[in-house]
Amino acid sequence: DAGVTQSPTHLIKTRGQQVTLRCSPISGHKSVSWYQQVLGQGPQFIFQYYEKEERGRGNFPDRFSARQFPNYSSELNVNALLLGDSALYLCASIMVGGSYEQYFGPGTRLTVT
Amino acid sequence: KNEVEQSPQNLTAQEGEFITINCSYSVGISALHWLQQHPGGGIVSLFMLSSGKKKHGRLIATINIQEKHSSLHITASHPRDSAVYICAAPSNFGNEKLTFGTGTRLTIIP
Repeated sequence: DAGVTQSPTHLIKTRGQQVTLRCSPISGHKSVSWYQQVLGQGPQFIFQYYEKEERGRGNFPDRFSARQFPNYSSELNVNALLLGDSALYLCASIMVGGSYEQYFGPGTRLTVT
Repeated sequence: KNEVEQSPQNLTAQEGEFITINCSYSVGISALHWLQQHPGGGIVSLFMLSSGKKKHGRLIATINIQEKHSSLHITASHPRDSAVYICAAPSNFGNEKLTFGTGTRLTIIP
């Protein structure tokens, strides 16, 4: 049984560009959360989606957006990239109504130059 | 004041030593997560606990909900235990949004 998958694993972009990161949750999990982890810090909550609806948003600018598809996979979009957006972006898959244990993907490391 | 605080930030120990990492939180929670992150970045969930104690191999996690404090213990530590250990608490928003501590970097010397 596949775990949480994320793509791409690494990405290099320049300032001002746009990026799309993808996440596929564990089969049967309908909730996905996105986190940003800047080097040397703990992850910070960006978004949570459940059944294709946004259920929560962290303290991030409108340049950050996300969506969830009917198959429960999710995309995180970041527009007008800044140097400070360089981070590891983590996706977590959750069985809502179950244990609420969060299963993390390997992350996408984004470098903005 | 961070909602989730860990101590120590860094810990170096000799192989075989008993390790304790502490976590205090101010958010109201129903459960607390302990996570392990290796240098490659991937995060593995070690425990989710809402009361008492859980044990998995050489790892033991305890929680005191009234005191809002949790500890992660590693017995007979090994160099492969070297990693960053992070505690995370669900926010009042719900179980799906986690607030993370800044992590404890553990290094076990052979």
